[in-house]
Amino acid sequence: QKEVEQDPGPLSVPEGAIVSLNCTYSNSAFQYFMWYRQYSRKGPELLMYTYSSGNKEDGRFTAQVDKSSKYISLFIRDSQPSDSATYLCAMTFLTTDSWGKFQFGAGTQVVVTP
Amino acid sequence: EAQVTQNPRYLITVTGKKLTVTCSQNMNHEYMSWYRQDPGLGLRQIYYSMNVEVTDKGDVPEGYKVSRKEKRNFPLILESPSPNQTSLYFCASGLEATRSGEKLFFGSGTQLSVL
Repeated sequence: QKEVEQDPGPLSVPEGAIVSLNCTYSNSAFQYFMWYRQYSRKGPELLMYTYSSGNKEDGRFTAQVDKSSKYISLFIRDSQPSDSATYLCAMTFLTTDSWGKFQFGAGTQVVVTP
Repeated sequence: EAQVTQNPRYLITVTGKKLTVTCSQNMNHEYMSWYRQDPGLGLRQIYYSMNVEVTDKGDVPEGYKVSRKEKRNFPLILESPSPNQTSLYFCASGLEATRSGEKLFFGSGTQLSVL
C-alpha cells in the first residue's frame, strides 16, 4: 500500500468552476504538506505548503489539512484553462532524522475547458 | 536566474552501458535530491543529499549511485542501466536551514530510455 494515495483523474471541469483535489495518507508522522503543479514535460513547481490542520488561502488556491483523518485537499476557485495541469500532493517529516525524505502522490490530471 | 539545470533532456541508451545524468543548481542550496516519475506511480525519491559528502537513500535507490563533491552539483549515475530504469528523472534542490522544505526547485527533467 502506498503511503500517499491520490486519484489520477483526469478531472475535467468547465472554466470558472471550482476544482477539488485530495490526497489521503497513512503515516501519521507526516507533518508538512505541499501541493505542486506540473505542466506537461516540465518539472513540478510549488503552489502551496502548510504544516498545520485547517485552511490556508493564497489567491484562488486554498489548501486544507485534516490530520485526524489523514486527508489533505486543494481547491482552485474560478478555474482557468491555464490551470490545466497535473497536481501532485507531497508530504514530509519535520523531525531531524527524517528531514529530506519526501513522499509524493501519483498526481491528478486536471483539464479546464473554455 | 535561479535554476536547476539537468543534462541531457533526452537520452536513449542500451542495457549495461554506464551513464551519468548531471544536475547543477545556482542557488547555493544545501539540499538536493533525485526522483523518477512513472505513470501511475508519481514521483519516487531515489537519493537525496543534505550537504556536501552527505547522501542518503530514498525509496528506490537500487541500481543508482550519486555523489556530492561540490555544493552545486549532484550527478546521478547508472552503472549498468536496465530497461526497468526507463523513466522521467527530475533533480530538485532546496534550503535546509528552515528544515521544512517549503520550496523545492525542480529541473526540467531527463527522459531516459534503456533499450
